Parts: sequence; structure tokens; C-alpha cells
Amino acid sequence: QVQLQESGPGMVKPSETLSLTCTISGGSINGYYWSWIRQPPGKGLEWIGYIYYSGTTNYNPSLESRVTISLDTSQNQVSLTLDSVTAADSALYFCTRGVGHAWFESRLDSWGQGTLVTVSS
Amino acid sequence: DIQMTQSPSSLSASIGDRVTITCRASQNINTYLNWYQHKRGKAPKLLIFSASTLQDGVPSRFSGSASGTVFTLTINSLQPDDFATYYCQQSYDRPWTFGQGTNVDIK
Repeated sequence: QVQLQESGPGMVKPSETLSLTCTISGGSINGYYWSWIRQPPGKGLEWIGYIYYSGTTNYNPSLESRVTISLDTSQNQVSLTLDSVTAADSALYFCTRGVGHAWFESRLDSWGQGTLVTVSS
Repeated sequence: DIQMTQSPSSLSASIGDRVTITCRASQNINTYLNWYQHKRGKAPKLLIFSASTLQDGVPSRFSGSASGTVFTLTINSLQPDDFATYYCQQSYDRPWTFGQGTNVDIK
């Protein structure tokens, strides 16, 4: 049973860069889409983007200019960086695994518990 | 972006009730629609994918259906473990988008 664990600073200052890591245990990076999803307090879920195990990425256009998702296959980790953060980036950030023959038929079959990030000075 | 409109936003139900949650897509998404269950402080859980396929290990009281751009999640005979928030999600087009969620609580 694959397990995903998000980690990173719980607080980031405005205009700085948010960096999170997702450590994957009990499974391989290969063959899957690795996404980050976020949920601002009291709001719904927002897809940030994914990286396919081959390295191909796709980002939400609303965040594309500020976001990077990368893989470290040696460490079995997926990382998220979000530049120039504001209070609107405060959220619970989830790491997820997507499975499917193609991106359009992918479903998120494993999720981490999420890590809360607050943007505040 | 494809808008996913979920209803109701919340509902109260009793153990044993049949619960129906609806998700309407703003355009055709074929059957690329998934349903998730989320309990506070826990990892969300995939219940149904491709509109009607039950994920391995999910109880058979959960079912999904589709009619055009309207998708339905049904929970037959609600159990104590089912009190949670439910989300639909489309993967037909990027960006992937979610419904606003339906909170199911105890009447």
C-alpha cells in the first residue's frame, strides 16, 4: 500500500518561495501522475499541477507562472515550489498519485494527509 | 475551465438513509468523473472513477451514475463511517477541477 507524506515549513513570508516535499513509500514513482492539490481554509480543492513519471509536467494556468513540480527518483520524492506567495496561497497542500492510461482518464487513487502552509509576515 | 457544480452543499441524514449527491459539469466531460470522500485530518479517499467504477476496497453501498453532464453519487444505507465531505472531480480537460464539496452530517 503506497503512502504519501508531505513535509515542509508551516509558515512562509509574503513574496517568498513555498517549498514542499512529498515522500513516497511502499511504491514506485514509475507509471504514475504525481499531482499537488490545495485547499484554502473553508474553500474547495484546487489542482495545482502534475508531473508524469517521465518528467512531463502540466500546471494550472492560474498558477503556471509561479509553480514548479519536480521528481527525485533516487529519493522517491516529488517536490513543489511556488514563488512570490501571498496570503491567498495559505492552504492545506496535498500530494496525490494519479493512475490511468492517459492524463484525461487519470484518477487520484492515493493522497497524503496534507500539510498546512500559512503565508504571513 | 470546466466548472463542476455540486449539490447540495450540505445535507443531514440518518443511519440507514439513502443519500444522493449530484455534480453537473459545465460542458461534456464524457465519463471522466471521479468521486472522493474526505474526513477532516485524513487523506481523501477515491471512491468511484470513470463515473461508475467502484474503486477496490470501497463498499458496494456506494455507486455512481451519469446522464449527459449530470453525475450522481449514491450511498445506499448510510453508515456511521460515511459522515464526511464528498467531492467530484473531472479529468476530461486541464486544469482538472473539483466540485465545491458536499458535507454529509448526522441528522
